[in-house]
Amino acid sequence: QSALTQPASVSGSPGQSITISCTGTSSDVGGYKYVSWYQQHPGKAPKLMIYEVSNRPSGVSNRFSGSKSGNTASLTISGLQAEDEADYYCTSYTSTTTHVFGGGTKLTVL
Amino acid sequence: EVQLLESGGGLVQPGGSLRLSCAASGFTFSSYAMTWVRQAPGKGLECVSAISGSGGSTDYADSVKGRFTISRDNSKNTLYLQMNSLRVEDTAVYYCAKALSNYRSGFDPWGQGTLVTVSS
Repeated sequence: QSALTQPASVSGSPGQSITISCTGTSSDVGGYKYVSWYQQHPGKAPKLMIYEVSNRPSGVSNRFSGSKSGNTASLTISGLQAEDEADYYCTSYTSTTTHVFGGGTKLTVL
Repeated sequence: EVQLLESGGGLVQPGGSLRLSCAASGFTFSSYAMTWVRQAPGKGLECVSAISGSGGSTDYADSVKGRFTISRDNSKNTLYLQMNSLRVEDTAVYYCAKALSNYRSGFDPWGQGTLVTVSS
């Protein structure tokens, strides 16, 4: 099962908005509503930020939002803050195995 | 508060075996699927294995199929990963994570991870 495709890095200035894409196939992202996004700071465990494409767990800032179109899902962070600087991973349930992850995107807040 | 605490990591030679444990607390363990996700040094995340709440259904990544076995003891609120025939490429931090109420929806929370190093 190939990993989902994410950009290696994105950057933005404080207060700006950024979007991270996550491209898969009809066997994963395009075929299910089960896309989730995780934030990982260096040396820390991943943290769930978005599940089922666009739902935020309790306690996650509403600056984080998710969407999907066809085989591509997206995570948008608005009003960028320094603490948002981290790695972000998408994942999708698949028809062939359990879950497949994206390669990860490093977000730099300039 | 939901807590997951992994243990059992360490240094092992290629071809060796190791068993990881994940002690869970703060929720009804048997009601939730669980998963093991690993992260090689400087690399991304890979879902290694998953198990249903009852333990009756399991799934494995192709990279570990036939070598790793996931299991759980619901009476002890503990998840396990038996790793045999270990390879250098299995070197990673191994995280256990609790599935959401719908297993397909995602994982939350995650444990702090345990490092497995396979080297001669």
